[in-house]
Amino acid sequence: KQEVTQIPAALSVPEGENLVLNCSFTDSAIYNLQWFRQDPGKGLTSLLLIQSSQREQTSGRLNASLDKSSGRSTLYIAASQPGDSATYLCAALTGANSKLTFGKGITLSVRP
Amino acid sequence: EAQVTQNPRYLITVTGKKLTVTCSQNMNHEYMSWYRQDPGLGLRQIYYSMNVEVTDKGDVPEGYKVSRKEKRNFPLILESPSPNQTSLYFCASHPAGADTQYFGPGTRLTVL
Repeated sequence: KQEVTQIPAALSVPEGENLVLNCSFTDSAIYNLQWFRQDPGKGLTSLLLIQSSQREQTSGRLNASLDKSSGRSTLYIAASQPGDSATYLCAALTGANSKLTFGKGITLSVRP
Repeated sequence: EAQVTQNPRYLITVTGKKLTVTCSQNMNHEYMSWYRQDPGLGLRQIYYSMNVEVTDKGDVPEGYKVSRKEKRNFPLILESPSPNQTSLYFCASHPAGADTQYFGPGTRLTVL
């Protein structure tokens, strides 16, 4: 059974800092790994998707990497801003039922 | 605009009163899923559907029913809601193949 872990559960950084959010998964037989952003009381916004055959994806200040063999993915945020404050969830897609297994998220606070 | 819609967005009900949460997508996606999100437990899949008339259980299906009579709609039915079904519910869809999953805005359900 796939398990996805995100540590730490919360992170507070000053504005402008570059930061890395970590995600680990136990079953390397994934189809893809997806990073989402969730604002309080809101839905999920897809940030980046990395297919199993890819190593990384970039969008603006965000870069996500995937290492299937070690069961790890990272989300790099460059020059963080207060508007980046949110919960970041990673999710691994596995199985015939296209199930996304989610980590519990990292709540990021970027201090002005 | 490509989107997944859910209704209602907020619902307070009482134990045992049947309810339906609707989900609709306008992207002609084959796959649709329902998830629930609970503090400390993260997001968990309730049911999924691979196409019209094809549905199956996810991780936490007890107390829920679904149907997929049309490709665009995937309602979640609670025949006899109980307080432990108080949660934030998300519907999601994606095309066949390992592609980005799109999430609805969520339905916050409270069962008294």
